[in-house]
Amino acid sequence: EIVLTQSPGTLSLSPGERATLSCRASQSVGRTYLAWYQQRPGQAPRLLIYGTSSRAAGIPDRFRGSGSGTDFTLTISRLEPEDFAVYYCQQYGGSPLTFGQGTKVEIK
Amino acid sequence: EVQLVESGGGLVQRGGSLRLSCAASGFMFSNYAMHWVRQAPGKGLEYVSSISNNGVSTHYANSVNGRFTISRDNSKNTVYLQIGSLRPEDTALYYCASGLYDLWSGPLDYWGQGTPVAVSS
Repeated sequence: EIVLTQSPGTLSLSPGERATLSCRASQSVGRTYLAWYQQRPGQAPRLLIYGTSSRAAGIPDRFRGSGSGTDFTLTISRLEPEDFAVYYCQQYGGSPLTFGQGTKVEIK
Repeated sequence: EVQLVESGGGLVQRGGSLRLSCAASGFMFSNYAMHWVRQAPGKGLEYVSSISNNGVSTHYANSVNGRFTISRDNSKNTVYLQIGSLRPEDTALYYCASGLYDLWSGPLDYWGQGTPVAVSS
């Protein structure tokens, strides 16, 4: 089973700042088998990024995914108030599918 | 508009079973894989199970393998999760999600609002 470790656990930032979230895999998940999700309080998760760097439908371009192999990054260029949420990475390069434990982006 | 509506959750005793359902609408259900993901109270997302678009391929998390069974009825646009030999650690909100692809593996595109399962000891 591929274990995904996200860091940091919590990121305290102000609106307008840049957020950089990390996801590290215990073994290679390939170049394009990594997705990112956003979960706001009380809501279901929402797909943001798939294939490491492709934005899902309707996702603004301030969200950018990058990486390959075992190291992946989600960057939010300028935080909007609605971006304060928990973010999860997910790999689909191996069975079973697995999620990271999440990074909470909170208002500083 | 894509809609996924889960049902069938509830309170059950240790060792008991439930059948969760997820009714889909607003997209060509038979073209896409379907998935179940759960979230224990205050915790992160945990993958549970996946099924390919035609139902031929199924996969499970190690923690539920042998106790849970995923299936689908493309004529009813519904995916099911039979959960059994339940343990208190199975207590969670169970989400149904549609896949971005037809294969069992892939990103999870649309999500329902979840159905809660509580297992008492």
